[in-house]
Amino acid sequence: KQEVTQIPAALSVPEGENLVLNCSFTDSAIYNLQWFRQDPGKGLTSLLLIQSSQREQTSGRLNASLDKSSGRSTLYIAASQPGDSATYLCAVSRRSNDYKLSFGAGTTVTVRA
Amino acid sequence: SQTIHQWPATLVQPVGSPLSLECTVEGTSNPNLYWYRQAAGRGLQLLFYSVGIGQISSEVPQNLSASRPQDRQFILSSKKLLLSDSGFYLCAWTFLSGGPNEKLFFGSGTQLSVL
Repeated sequence: KQEVTQIPAALSVPEGENLVLNCSFTDSAIYNLQWFRQDPGKGLTSLLLIQSSQREQTSGRLNASLDKSSGRSTLYIAASQPGDSATYLCAVSRRSNDYKLSFGAGTTVTVRA
Repeated sequence: SQTIHQWPATLVQPVGSPLSLECTVEGTSNPNLYWYRQAAGRGLQLLFYSVGIGQISSEVPQNLSASRPQDRQFILSSKKLLLSDSGFYLCAWTFLSGGPNEKLFFGSGTQLSVL
């Protein structure tokens, strides 16, 4: 069974500092990995998707890397802003017709102005 | 473009009462549909998924059931709610194109409190 772990559970940084969020998974036979953002009481919004054959994806200030062999992914957020305050979840999928994702518990980020 | 609607946003129900949460997707056909539950401080737990009308797969034994009466409609139900059913329920969809670039899209969620 795939286990996804995110450390730390919470993170508080001053505005302008770079954020580094970690995700690890136990089964390296993944199809893809997604990073999501969740605001309090809201649904999840997909930020980045990395295919199993890729090593990283970038979107604006966000960069996600994937090391499938070691079962790790890292989400970097450059020059953090108060608007980046949210919970960030990673999820991995296996190759199948049902496309089920295994989620981590998330890292709650607070960016202090 | 595709949109997903989930309602209600919040719900407070007494123990033993029935439950019906509804989710609909617009702008696509034949989506895969999912119900997740999120407990405080924990990851999302997959409850049910459906690959087509009338096709429901349950991930964990529980007090809940799901139905898909129409292609783009997914309903989560219970005949008698338990305290342990409290949580944040999320509906999601994806369209399986056969490639590794498929994303999962979520509704806005329903916060259920069973008292």
